[in-house]
Amino acid sequence: NAGVMQNPRHLVRRRGQEARLRCSPMKGHSHVYWYRQLPEEGLKFMVYLQKENIIDESGMPKERFSAEFPKEGPSILRIQQVVRGDSAAYFCASSPPSTETQYFGPGTRLLVL
Amino acid sequence: GQQLNQSPQSMFIQEGEDVSMNCTSSSIFNTWLWYKQDPGEGPVLLIALYKAGELTSNGRLTAQFGITRKDSFLNISASIPSDVGIYFCAGQMLQGAQKLVFGQGTRLTINP
Repeated sequence: NAGVMQNPRHLVRRRGQEARLRCSPMKGHSHVYWYRQLPEEGLKFMVYLQKENIIDESGMPKERFSAEFPKEGPSILRIQQVVRGDSAAYFCASSPPSTETQYFGPGTRLLVL
Repeated sequence: GQQLNQSPQSMFIQEGEDVSMNCTSSSIFNTWLWYKQDPGEGPVLLIALYKAGELTSNGRLTAQFGITRKDSFLNISASIPSDVGIYFCAGQMLQGAQKLVFGQGTRLTINP
């Protein structure tokens, strides 16, 4: 059973460009979470999605950030008009329905030049 | 927002020593989880705790869910070089699938 997949593993963007981060949950998992980690810090929750629904987006910045988890395909975290402060590691986690245990992917390291 | 205070921030120990780290919160959590993160990788789940007072072991690792629901500790016995990494506690305030609140991490370094 493959784990949580994320791609790309590394992404370099110039200020003002768009960044698209993809996450494929583990097989059988219908819940997806996105977290951001700055250097030397813990992970910070961004958004929690189920198929075609955003359940909790309390950690998402109000502007430029959006997330989706369509009926078919991976979950996408989209950052428009990136700024240098968006440089971080972005992790996706997935879980089966109604369980507390979240399994993390390897992350996408975003660098904004 | 919710915050977990994790200590110590870093530890430097000799191989074979035991390790202890803990997390505290001003809020009650219904689930506590301990993760380990290696450089360039995502967090890997070590132990999950679901009941107040619960003591759970996974090999050389032992973790406990505090009786007040506001704290948890992780012990590693007889440390080995592959234990090096950053350990994070994480809590969930509600049962079922919910967001995790993470501590700041404990960086473990082992001298052979």
